Amino acid sequence: QQQVKQSPQSLIVQKGGISIINCAYENTAFDYFPWYQQFPGKGPALLIAIRPDVSEKKEGRFTISFNKSAKQFSLHIMDSQPGDSATYFCAASLTWAAGNKLTFGGGTRVLVKP
Amino acid sequence: KAGVTQTPRYLIKTRGQQVTLSCSPISGHRSVSWYQQTPGQGLQFLFEYFSETQRNKGNFPGRFSGRQFSNSRSEMNVSTLELGDSALYLCASSPTEANTGELFFGEGSRLTVL
Repeated sequence: QQQVKQSPQSLIVQKGGISIINCAYENTAFDYFPWYQQFPGKGPALLIAIRPDVSEKKEGRFTISFNKSAKQFSLHIMDSQPGDSATYFCAASLTWAAGNKLTFGGGTRVLVKP
Repeated sequence: KAGVTQTPRYLIKTRGQQVTLSCSPISGHRSVSWYQQTPGQGLQFLFEYFSETQRNKGNFPGRFSGRQFSNSRSEMNVSTLELGDSALYLCASSPTEANTGELFFGEGSRLTVL
């Protein structure tokens, strides 16, 4: 059962453009929603995260928008740069449950063309 | 500060064999998680250990097992390997006992089963 659905699977954006990745979750008990960035040959690295009591969080060129009623959240990459080319994973977690378990979306491969 | 170290980075096994993968977490991190990454299934949670105790386990068959040592280093074992076990196995560590959702991943061990 895929509890976190991510779309699109891949996207191509021009340098300076906006990349938008969407995720939807099913379990309303999730209370922490991180995004991870993975470069080829590397492990995922935490990019930005949000809790459901906040509708938007911005860190530099990266913004998370959160819609609790729709059970959806999205990552916006503003002014996309070639160095942003990577695979992005949304995830969800139950921070009140024992054990560091993240449920990941399927991933989005982003290619930023110069 | 050194990151999460996984060994070996690459290995090739044949069906029916077993394999042991090793993970050294970031110094001071006591929580260690394991994930399987494949193109088809994405990132899937295997198990998590804290202070040598397994606190959470994913939906994998009993052929997948793990353990954590008193120095927080962890190993995972896969017995009776199947072709479908070919994947990138990622280890992640976390600094706290609490489930923060913030994980620090290693670069993974890429297992190929022939």
